[in-house]
Amino acid sequence: KNQVEQSPQSLIILEGKNCTLQCNYTVSPFSNLRWYKQDTGRGPVSLTIMTFSENTKSNGRYTATLDADTKQSSLHITASQLSDSASYICVVRAPYSGNTPLVFGKGTRLSVIA
Amino acid sequence: DSGVTQTPKHLITATGQRVTLRCSPRSGDLSVYWYQQSLDQGLQFLIQYYNGEERAKGNILERFSAQQFPDLHSELNLSSLELGDSALYFCASSGHSGVNEKLFFGSGTQLSVL
Repeated sequence: KNQVEQSPQSLIILEGKNCTLQCNYTVSPFSNLRWYKQDTGRGPVSLTIMTFSENTKSNGRYTATLDADTKQSSLHITASQLSDSASYICVVRAPYSGNTPLVFGKGTRLSVIA
Repeated sequence: DSGVTQTPKHLITATGQRVTLRCSPRSGDLSVYWYQQSLDQGLQFLIQYYNGEERAKGNILERFSAQQFPDLHSELNLSSLELGDSALYFCASSGHSGVNEKLFFGSGTQLSVL
């Protein structure tokens, strides 16, 4: 069964610190892996999309890495800001999974405190 | 602002009732997706429409139905509501299909069934 597992479930860090969120998946084969940011009460917003041939992709202070061999991805946030407080969702696209090609993780809830 | 509009933002109703959630996709987007997000759960795909036609079906209950109108807006109808239907319902739209399809999410409708 295609699954996406994220860790930790929640995380609290001080403003200005760095953090890394993890994503492990069992989706195989897969077309791409995405990271979304979801603010409380809002819809998810795309941060990065990586194909299986890409190892890293950055979007400002967000850097995503992908190891297709170990089926792991991470999202690194540098110099965190209060506005980074949100849920971060890892999503894997499976090309041959019928009607549900996008497999969503449950997300990591990040709280950045002053 | 993603350009996807969902109404209403909040909905409170009683068990056994029927409600309609509305979604207006981004201008020019032909695809509309509906997702359900329960507390501490990942987004669950319900159904997709493309240019008025049902394209894919996920874990959508028989009590739920949807349609996409000629002007491309979509409605999700939930009937015989149960307590467990309380969740955030998101609509997303995209301009093209394919493995790198990018979804733009609305802000969601928070449904509370009492």
